[in-house]
Amino acid sequence: SSDLTQDPAVSVALGQTVRITCQGDSLRTFHASWYQQKPGQAPVLVIYDKKNRPSGIPDRFSGSGSGNTASLTITGAQAEDEADYYCGSRDISGNHLLFGGGTSLTV
Amino acid sequence: QVQLQESGPGLVKPSETLSLTCAVSDFSISSGYHWGWIRQPPGKGLEYIGNIYYSGTTYYKPSLKSRVTISVEVSKNEFSLQVSSVTAADTAIYYCARLTYGGIDYWGRGALITVSS
Repeated sequence: SSDLTQDPAVSVALGQTVRITCQGDSLRTFHASWYQQKPGQAPVLVIYDKKNRPSGIPDRFSGSGSGNTASLTITGAQAEDEADYYCGSRDISGNHLLFGGGTSLTV
Repeated sequence: QVQLQESGPGLVKPSETLSLTCAVSDFSISSGYHWGWIRQPPGKGLEYIGNIYYSGTTYYKPSLKSRVTISVEVSKNEFSLQVSSVTAADTAIYYCARLTYGGIDYWGRGALITVSS
C-alpha cells in the first residue's frame, strides 16, 4: 500500500478534460509532484511543487491542490497523453519520498 | 541537460548483494542536490529506496534501511546502490535520479535487475 492514494484507472475522451487526484496526509505539509510514464520508458516530471510545469511540458497539463489532496488536470487530452501517472511528495520527516500507486489514463 | 546512466549486472542470485552505479553527465554532483534510487517491480508502481547528498549524508526508506547502502564518489561524478540479501521481491527496474525540493527532475533510463538462481 502507498501513503499516497490514487485511483487505479481513469478514462477520458479525446479532447476532453480529465482530473487525476492524489490523497495523503503528507500533502498538508509538502507539495505534490506528478510523473508521466509510458510503457518501457522512465517517468517524466510533468508538474513540480504542486503547480509548476517544467520546460517542454505542454500547457494542457496543470496542477493544483488543497489540504490533503493534489490534482493533475489535463485540459484537452491528446492520444499521446495515454500513460500511467504517479503523484509524489515528501514524507512527514521531509527526508524521504513517497509515491502514489499510479493512475492508468486511457484516452 | 543532466544525464544519468545506471550500470550493473542484470542478474543476481538470491541472498547475494545487488550493486548498481549511476554515472552523472553534464552536471557536477558536488554542485549540490540530493541523488536517489527508485525501483519499479515488473507491472507495478514506483518505490523510493533512498537518497544521498553530495556530502555523503544518506536517507534510506525505513523498511529497506537494514539492507540498503548508498554511497557517492564525487571524483568520478557517480553514486551507487547496494542491496544485500536479495530475494525475488527485489526484482525490478532500478532508476537513479536527481531530487529537487519540488520533485525528481532527471531520471536515468533504468536498469532491469532480476534475482534468480
